[in-house]
Amino acid sequence: RKEVEQDPGPFNVPEGATVAFNCTYSNSASQSFFWYRQDCRKEPKLLMSVYSSGNEDGRFTAQLNRASQYISLLIRDSKLSDSATYLCVVVRASGTYKYIFGTGTRLKVLA
Amino acid sequence: DTAVSQTPKYLVTQMGNDKSIKCEQNLGHDTMYWYKQDSKKFLKIMFSYNNKELIINETVPNRFSPKSPDKAHLNLHINSLELGDSAVYFCASSLGGSWGGPRETQYFGPGTRLLVL
Repeated sequence: RKEVEQDPGPFNVPEGATVAFNCTYSNSASQSFFWYRQDCRKEPKLLMSVYSSGNEDGRFTAQLNRASQYISLLIRDSKLSDSATYLCVVVRASGTYKYIFGTGTRLKVLA
Repeated sequence: DTAVSQTPKYLVTQMGNDKSIKCEQNLGHDTMYWYKQDSKKFLKIMFSYNNKELIINETVPNRFSPKSPDKAHLNLHINSLELGDSAVYFCASSLGGSWGGPRETQYFGPGTRLLVL
C-alpha cells in the first residue's frame, strides 16, 4: 500500500461544477500537508497548504482530518483552466523533512 | 527571471552512456532536491542537499551521483544509463535554513525529460 493514496481519475466535470478530491495517508506522524497542481508536461506548483482548521483560497478549499488521516480539496465553479493533475503531498519527518507525493488526481473541466 | 532552471530540457541517449543534468536556483534557498517522475506520473524524492551537504539519499542505484558545487547548484550524473532510467527528472529548492521545517514550500524546475534507447 502506498503511503499517500489518491484516486487517479480522470474526473470529467462541466464548467461551473463543484468537484472534490480526497487523499489518504498511512503515516500518522505526518507533519504537514499540501496540494500541488501539475499541468501536462509541466512542473508541480504549490496550490495551497492544508491546515488543521481548513483553509480557503478563492474557489479552493482544503481540509485536513487527522483522525481519519485524509485531506481533501474542493474546487467550486470549475473553470476550463482548472484542468490539471492535483497532487497531494504529505510531509514526513525522518531525520529531515521529506515530501511524499500521491500519484495525483487528473481533472478535466469540459466546456 | 527563472527561479529554478534545469538543463537540458530533453535528453535522448543510448543505453550504457553517461549523462549529466544541471540545476540552478536563484532564490537564495539553502536546500535543493532531485525527484524522479516515472511513466505513471509518480514523483519520488531521490536526493536532497542542504548548503552543499547531502541530507537525503533515498534507495537509488549508485549509478546516480549528485553533486552540489555551491548551494545554488545541484547536478545529477548518471552512469551506465538503463532503459528504466527513462523518466522526467525534476530539481526543486526550498528555503531550508537549519534543514527547513515541515511547512516549507518546494519550488520545482521545469524538468528534464530523459529517454534511454
